[in-house]
Amino acid sequence: DVVITQSPLSLPVTLGQPASISCRSSQSLLYSDGNTYLSWFQQRPGQSPRRLFYEVSKRDSGVPGRFSGYGSGTYFTLKISRVEAEDVGVYYCMQGAHWPRTFGQGTKVEIK
Amino acid sequence: EVQLVESGGGLVQPGGSLTLACAASGFSFSDYWMTWVRLAPGKGLEWVASIKKDGSEKYYVDSVKGRFTISRDNAENSLFLQMNWLRAEDTAVYYCAGGAFSPDYWGQGILVTVSS
Repeated sequence: DVVITQSPLSLPVTLGQPASISCRSSQSLLYSDGNTYLSWFQQRPGQSPRRLFYEVSKRDSGVPGRFSGYGSGTYFTLKISRVEAEDVGVYYCMQGAHWPRTFGQGTKVEIK
Repeated sequence: EVQLVESGGGLVQPGGSLTLACAASGFSFSDYWMTWVRLAPGKGLEWVASIKKDGSEKYYVDSVKGRFTISRDNAENSLFLQMNWLRAEDTAVYYCAGGAFSPDYWGQGILVTVSS
């Protein structure tokens, strides 16, 4: 199985400051169709997961521009340029290139 | 508006069975792979199973193979998860999600508790 390693697992951030989460895959997530299937999800307290990015950097509708996703191959990053209070929650990366699908362990973002 | 509504959860004894259902609306269900994901207490998201648009391919996480069965009814826009031989470690909120490469639609989740 593809192992997805996220870091850090806990991320206390000051409002207005940047935050970055990394996601490393044990295998390349480049699929045979030429796409790289790495997605990012946000799960706010008490809510369902919400997708933020698919295929590494394609932002979903309604996702604020302060979020960005980038990377390639086996190393990926989610960045928040200036953290806001509504960004509190757990963030997961997920690979969709191999079966079984696998998620990272999750990164809990909280405000200092 | 896209909606995925799970039902069928509850309390079940170890070794018991339960079938989850997910009613889909607001999108072309038959054009989507569908997926079940779970969130156990104190743990992270875990992909459970996915099924192809026409039901011809099914994939499972190792821990549920032989015990869980994913199925769908495209005429009724419904997704199912038959869960047999349930264990305490299957206790989780189960989410129905649209997509398998990168799920973009998610239900609100349904709690399954396995306990005596």
